[in-house]
Amino acid sequence: GAVVSQHPSRVICKSGTSVKIECRSLDFQATTMFWYRQFPKQSLMLMATSNEGSKATYEQGVEKDKFLINHASLTLSTLTVTSAHPEDSSFYICSAKASTGLRYGYTFGSGTRLTVV
Amino acid sequence: KNQVEQSPQSLIILEGKNCTLQCNYTVSPFSNLRWYKQDTGRGPVSLTIMTFSENTKSNGRYTATLDADTKQSSLHITASQLSDSASYICVVSTNAGKSTFGDGTTLTVKP
Repeated sequence: GAVVSQHPSRVICKSGTSVKIECRSLDFQATTMFWYRQFPKQSLMLMATSNEGSKATYEQGVEKDKFLINHASLTLSTLTVTSAHPEDSSFYICSAKASTGLRYGYTFGSGTRLTVV
Repeated sequence: KNQVEQSPQSLIILEGKNCTLQCNYTVSPFSNLRWYKQDTGRGPVSLTIMTFSENTKSNGRYTATLDADTKQSSLHITASQLSDSASYICVVSTNAGKSTFGDGTTLTVKP
């Protein structure tokens, strides 16, 4: 089945630094990848949608200059949290949609727990 | 406004018992409905995917139903196990690929 690899699974960084999270589709091509944020005991909140080779589409209220998304290939999308602050601490999850067909649906990565200290 | 409502918000059952989770939606135009299982601190894992023409789909002890007329879906878990303890999320997508997430049902299976 479809597998999406997300790294790192956990990261602790100092306030003011930047953190990059990678999301890779391992056995399928993903023209579209999604980035979510999830706070404890809440559902996933879509942050942005990235399409290979084009600029990401951000949801209302998400700062595009703070959450940089790059979807440089059909198998890789990255989310960079720039100048991270403690309020950015959260669980970040990516998902990828296969280029064709519903068989693979939307496959999620395993998530990244970001803690900003 | 597209909405997905799940019930109950949380549920506690004894190991071995069955349970049913509900998902009602107002998403339109409907494309597909997916159920995911999310363990604490992990990404969601797909359980079932159903399109308009499908009204039931099984994945092991998980059986999802879909009534596209009433816009309701259910996820039935048979012979629950401790490992079934997780959050179960219902996601409904439109033809344009816009997905609406439910808030999830937190299931706790006790020995």
